[in-house]
Formats: sequence, C-alpha cells, structure tokens
Amino acid sequence: SYVLTQPPSVSAAPGTTATITCGGHNIVTKTVNWYQQRPGQAPLMVISYDTDRPSGIPERFSGSNSGNTATLTISRVEAGDEADYYCHVWDSSSDQRVFGGGTKLTVL
Amino acid sequence: ELQLVESGGGLVKPGGSLRLSCAASGFTFSSHGMHWIRQAPGKGLEWVSSIIGNSRYIYYADSVKGRFTISRDNAKNSLYLQMNSLRAEDTGVFYCARGVGRHFDQDGFDLWGQGALVTVSS
Repeated sequence: SYVLTQPPSVSAAPGTTATITCGGHNIVTKTVNWYQQRPGQAPLMVISYDTDRPSGIPERFSGSNSGNTATLTISRVEAGDEADYYCHVWDSSSDQRVFGGGTKLTVL
Repeated sequence: ELQLVESGGGLVKPGGSLRLSCAASGFTFSSHGMHWIRQAPGKGLEWVSSIIGNSRYIYYADSVKGRFTISRDNAKNSLYLQMNSLRAEDTGVFYCARGVGRHFDQDGFDLWGQGALVTVSS
C-alpha cells in the first residue's frame, strides 16, 4: 500500500517560514491535500488539490508538489499556527485514501 | 448553517456492534462524496471508508473491510457507519467529513464533524 512520510516535528519562530514535507513514491502524480488539527479540535483543510487554498485560509499557507515530495509552506508563522499537520492522497492502485503520520509544528 | 453532526458513539464490548450517524445541513448533501476518518487516542488520522453521492461507489480501508458498512440516505441528509465485530484497536474518535465535490477519488475533506468517541473495551 502507498506510504506517506512526514517528519514528526518541525519548529519555527514567529515571523519566519515553516516547511512541512510529505514524501511518497512519485507523489507528483497524485493530488495532495493538507489539514491542520489543533489540540482537541477536528481537522481543518488548509490546502486541497496540491495548491488550492479553501475559503478563509490565510494566504500565508501554500502548497507545492514535485517529484517524490509535497510541501506545505507557512509564511510569517504565528502562535496560532501551532498544531498537527497531515497530508492526504488517494492511491488509485488500491482505491484507498492515505494519510501521512502527521507533523507537529511548534512555534518557538 | 453548514455543519456535520455525528452521533451514536459509546462504550461497546469487543465483538459488539455500533452504528454511527452523521447529520448534514447547509449544503446539497447528495452532491458530495462523504467519508469516515478515525483517530485513535494520541495517534494520527486514519481513513476508514468513503461513499459517492449516489452510493454507487463505496470503499473501505483494509483494516475494516468485512466488518464495517458505510451507507447514506440522501432524503434524510444522513451518513451512517455500521460497525460490527469491533476490536480494541477500533477505539478512537470517528469523524464524518465532506468531500470537496470536484472529483470523488481525489477530493480532500473540506468539512468535518466534531467527532464521535467509540471505546471498545470489556
């Protein structure tokens, strides 16, 4: 089955840029979605279809997808961005949806 | 108001059954694929099952195939998950979620419920 690999943790100081990666074999051929989950809350979609930002999501959030790595970039990091972030794809070979293991973003 | 509300969670013994419901409001329910995603305590998200708007296509994670059944009633704007032969490892919060509505298979999940806690324990 298809595997998505995320770093367990990433840290960034306020005002700087945080980069969260999602690795998968030839992931560029797949559509990647990203979610933010704050403690005790349901997940919230922050990026869909690799680069699309849902209504209400700040422009500071952006996504890219190339080769074997998809990336979520958070510019001008704020304290409120501290959360777990998950990537997700559909694996056509197995008709399964797959989540990455999640990355905890700590704002220093 | 745009929302999803799950119900039906609770404590059940191993081998038992439970039926989750998800009531949708504020959007055209039949136009969206719907999904169940779960999260074990302290763990990450795990996709469970998906159903297209007209129920023609249904998919399950390997971990629940043969034990769980997803269904929907578009007239009632409701999504269901019948869970049989429950195991301790099924314990967690179960979220229902709406697909974006562009392409059923590739869609992300743009609306989530608050979750229903399922605890499987003797």
